[in-house]
Amino acid sequence: NAGVTQTPKFRVLKTGQSMTLLCAQDMNHEYMYWYRQDPGMGLRLIHYSVGEGTTAKGEVPDGYNVSRLKKQNFLLGLESAAPSQTSVYFCASSMIGQSGEQYFGPGTRLTVT
Amino acid sequence: SQQGEEDPQALSIQEGENATMNCSYKTSINNLQWYRQNSGRGLVHLILIRSNEREKHSGRLRVTLDTSKKSSSLLITASRAADTASYFCAPTGAGGSYIPTFGRGTSLIVHP
Repeated sequence: NAGVTQTPKFRVLKTGQSMTLLCAQDMNHEYMYWYRQDPGMGLRLIHYSVGEGTTAKGEVPDGYNVSRLKKQNFLLGLESAAPSQTSVYFCASSMIGQSGEQYFGPGTRLTVT
Repeated sequence: SQQGEEDPQALSIQEGENATMNCSYKTSINNLQWYRQNSGRGLVHLILIRSNEREKHSGRLRVTLDTSKKSSSLLITASRAADTASYFCAPTGAGGSYIPTFGRGTSLIVHP
C-alpha cells in the first residue's frame, strides 16, 4: 500500500494564480484532513471530510476550498493564491474520527510570490 | 477545538539520555495521541492513550496521562540520534469534538 500520497511535492505560484493540491489514500479511510504547517505555528486544520461527498471547515478555512468526490481523494483548492498561503500543506486520513490514528502524507511545499 | 500545548518547545540531550516531553490540554478528552515529525516529513503516529488509561508503553516510549491535571508526558528512554525530530501531542475531545488538534510541538535534538 502507498498509504497517503500528495501531488505535487513542490510548487511556486504567483499571487492571484490558482492551483489544486491532490491527496490520495488507499486505506479505505472515511476521514480525510488538510493541514497547513508554518514555522512556530504547529499544524492548523484547514478543512476536513468525514466521508465521500462531505466537507467541513477547520480552524483556518478562508481562501481555500475542498472537494471529496471520491472516497480515496481529497482535493484542496486555492482560487487566488496570496503570499500568506506560503506554507507546507499536509493531508491526513483516518479510519474513524474519534480515537482513530491519523496517517499523514509527505507534504506539499507551496511558495506564493 | 481541543489543542494540546507541548513543553518544552525545544530539548537538547546527549545520546543515551532520557527525553521527557509534556503536553497540557484544557477540556475533557476521549484519548490523546503522540506523533513524531522528522524534518521535512509528514507526521507519524507513535502511541495512543485512552482517557481511562494512566500509562502505556511501546518499545522505548512511555506515555502517561493524568486527566485530573489535564496533562500527558512522553518519555523516550536511552535516546538515539535517530530520535531527533519534533514531537506533537493531539488530544481528541470527548462528546463530539473528535478532530485531533496539534500544538506547536517539542523539537528534540539528540547529539551523538
